[in-house]
Amino acid sequence: AQSVTQPDIHITVSEGASLELRCNYSYGATPYLFWYVQSPGQGLQLLLKYFSGDTLVQGIKGFEAEFKRSQSSFNLRKPSVHWSDAAEYFCAVGADGGYNKLIFGAGTRLAVHP
Amino acid sequence: GAGVSQSPSNKVTEKGKDVELRCDPISGHTALYWYRQRLGQGLEFLIYFQGNSAPDKSGLPSDRFSAERTGESVSTLTIQRTQQEDSAVYLCASSGNPGNTEAFFGQGTRLTVV
Repeated sequence: AQSVTQPDIHITVSEGASLELRCNYSYGATPYLFWYVQSPGQGLQLLLKYFSGDTLVQGIKGFEAEFKRSQSSFNLRKPSVHWSDAAEYFCAVGADGGYNKLIFGAGTRLAVHP
Repeated sequence: GAGVSQSPSNKVTEKGKDVELRCDPISGHTALYWYRQRLGQGLEFLIYFQGNSAPDKSGLPSDRFSAERTGESVSTLTIQRTQQEDSAVYLCASSGNPGNTEAFFGQGTRLTVV
């Protein structure tokens, strides 16, 4: 069965430091891949998505993610973290090669120290 | 409205009672999704409606769970004979025409079964 693994449950970084959140998926072909952010008291917001083409995807709020087929990974990065980035981040893969039904990872909670 | 609206925002119910959760999608969105998020976990897909097509119910965990959608508007998720393991946040999302891949999420209904 398809799955998404986010190995880091909690990450703490200092404001201004770089960030990388890891995501690994299991699927035989190239899936549709997504990163969502969930801030306290708010709904999930799409940060970026990968469907095909350039493996480096740019998203909102200065985030980017790189699809690496050989590693079945889709890691999220940001060069300089802001305090407002503190939130929970979810990686998701489209089920069965589609994009209507998403399989989510368990999430990574990001804390930002001033 | 401007976004996906869910009601109630919080619901406490006694074990064995039935509950109804409501979702108002973004006007004009043809696709509607329900997900469940248990504490500390990622989202689990429950059900997907697309226009007038038969819904994808493959994620519903038991026959106590059902959902309806009136045309391309309001959806109701019903849980019968609630159990403590049903306690979770129930999230609704909607997206535009089938080619529009971004799902917009509501803030969820937090269900507590006591």
